[in-house]
Amino acid sequence: RKEVEQDPGPFNVPEGATVAFNCTYSNSASQSFFWYRQDCRKEPKLLMSVYSSGNEDGRFTAQLNRASQYISLLIRDSKLSDSATYLCVVNGGTGNQFYFGTGTSLTVIP
Amino acid sequence: GAVVSQHPSWVICKSGTSVKIECRSLDFQATTMFWYRQFPKQSLMLMATSNEGSKATYEQGVEKDKFLINHASLTLSTLTVTSAHPEDSSFYICSASWPIQETQYFGPGTRLLVL
Repeated sequence: RKEVEQDPGPFNVPEGATVAFNCTYSNSASQSFFWYRQDCRKEPKLLMSVYSSGNEDGRFTAQLNRASQYISLLIRDSKLSDSATYLCVVNGGTGNQFYFGTGTSLTVIP
Repeated sequence: GAVVSQHPSWVICKSGTSVKIECRSLDFQATTMFWYRQFPKQSLMLMATSNEGSKATYEQGVEKDKFLINHASLTLSTLTVTSAHPEDSSFYICSASWPIQETQYFGPGTRLLVL
């Protein structure tokens, strides 16, 4: 079983839509969780860290469910500029071990 | 967020050449640096984990004699692709671990094309 699993998509949504991505992790000892965004032919950039019960940043909301071992990312009022691949990253819980999901591709359509 | 630089951004070289890529954390001391490779339309693949002053830990299937990693200081790690071949052409990305947030910050990547 993979450490981190994501639905690869692709998700094609109209502008203004709300879209949610889920990511499951297998190591119950994991302590830190992150969402990164990767644009085509660019490096991943940190979008949000997710700690304890989750957090919100503008149109983006990240949530953590420890009991079910998943994190989610909700994007409200989608913009064309939100089109990218969203990577779920989980810290292994024993120091500098990070596990990446395969990424979820989002395309926001005019 | 923290800043990580990579140099060079682009490399085009002949088969058999060795290529050195530098990764620097510019505004913090990174306890650990990571090297990834990404082929077109595929996900990031971790190649190795590098701690300052010690040998790198390579992922299964990554040849340590082909991909030499040197982590000379808390702000600099280098990846040398020795005797590069066309199948080594890829997007190589480094990241540095920022201990305060326990997260990674990525360099802008290096595109390697081996002819």
